[in-house]
Amino acid sequence: ETGVTQSPTHLIKTRGQQVTLRCSSQSGHNTVSWYQQALGQGPQFIFQYYREEENGRGNFPPRFSGLQFPNYSSELNVNALELDDSALYLCASSPEGQGARGYTFGSGTRLTVV
Amino acid sequence: QKEVEQNSGPLSVPEGAIASLNCTYSDRGSQSFFWYRQYSGKSPELIMFIYSNGDKEDGRFTAQLNKASQYVSLLIRDSQPSDSATYLCAVTSGTYKYIFGTGTRLKVLA
Repeated sequence: ETGVTQSPTHLIKTRGQQVTLRCSSQSGHNTVSWYQQALGQGPQFIFQYYREEENGRGNFPPRFSGLQFPNYSSELNVNALELDDSALYLCASSPEGQGARGYTFGSGTRLTVV
Repeated sequence: QKEVEQNSGPLSVPEGAIASLNCTYSDRGSQSFFWYRQYSGKSPELIMFIYSNGDKEDGRFTAQLNKASQYVSLLIRDSQPSDSATYLCAVTSGTYKYIFGTGTRLKVLA
């Protein structure tokens, strides 16, 4: 049990659909990052939120968007799904100022786009 | 050009041996370095972080950092079959972004 919970565990969507993935972090973890991990690859940084504001974004198109809420939960939304979006999506959080000590990852959501 | 490079393996070692995993990175501005372990079908789990040149030991694990050579390594002593996993090296880029390598698959043979 890592203290970072993601839902759903698995999801199958059709190309062109929209999806929302959810993450719940521990109390006090006001920094949350989202990563995409394709099969056989390392996680790729999507974006990070700090105190409900996006404060960094990787090389992902605008159809990837997010929200962070005051209760330490967050969402990743992906519009117009493409087959290449099939991956493990990971949420990672850390307490304020502790990102340099390593993020704690949630168990992930496996998204399959058909 | 990849920013964090790891040999994909598999690296096979006998039980009880030392496993040595290596990683090179391109951004000289990187400040923090991490090793994550990932079992098949699971999410990455933080094993160690290091930000000063030299060695850092935690139980059977030793992380080594050489910023001049832009090189990070992880040594696993007394390797066990349960250590069989993919080991991901990550470095910070700026203040919030981690750049991961593709991972090295380790197999510990009983």
